[in-house]
Amino acid sequence: TQLLEQSPQFLSIQEGENLTVYCNSSSVFSSLQWYRQEPGEGPVLLVTVVTGGEVKKLKRLTFQFGDARKDSSLHITAAQPGDTGLYLCESQGGSEKLVFGKGTKLTVNP
Amino acid sequence: DTGVSQDPRHKITKRGQNVTFRCDPISEHNRLYWYRQTLGQGPEFLTYFQNEAQLEKSRLLSDRFSAERPKGSFSTLEIQRTEQGDSAMYLCASSELSGIDRETQYFGPGTRLLVL
Repeated sequence: TQLLEQSPQFLSIQEGENLTVYCNSSSVFSSLQWYRQEPGEGPVLLVTVVTGGEVKKLKRLTFQFGDARKDSSLHITAAQPGDTGLYLCESQGGSEKLVFGKGTKLTVNP
Repeated sequence: DTGVSQDPRHKITKRGQNVTFRCDPISEHNRLYWYRQTLGQGPEFLTYFQNEAQLEKSRLLSDRFSAERPKGSFSTLEIQRTEQGDSAMYLCASSELSGIDRETQYFGPGTRLLVL
């Protein structure tokens, strides 16, 4: 089973700061997805990356897939309190099931 | 709203009681998944259905857990003789099998279970 390591586990920053969170594996990802989960809710898909070296932008969020497809990063520019949540990376674990990392819990303070 | 819905949203029960959760997927989705999420962890796969057939079950799904999707639409997850370790968020997701390599799973809001 592919294991996904996310770092940092917790991150607390002030509004307006930039941040980067990471997702790593010892195995090659066929594809990777990032989700945001707010307390008491289910995860919501943000992006899917498939190609090594791929960069996708979603407003202030930039997602990067490593060239070797074993790591990915999420960069948030000028974070806002609305960005607060649990950021999860996920990859399909060799079958139809999804394998998630433990997530990075982000708090953006006003 | 045509997203995935789950009922109830919260459940408190005493140890040893049975509980049942319901998931209504997006109507045209033929795949339905159950996950469990504990504090500080990402969701962990439990089982999934394609139409009414249960195609895969995790080792996490002990004999006390059973899931059904009798008509290929809504699904139920039952936990018998609940234990305190069953306390978690139970998430349902659905997707449409399209023949493309990567399908997108859409998650419901979850049912939070607390076993006292």
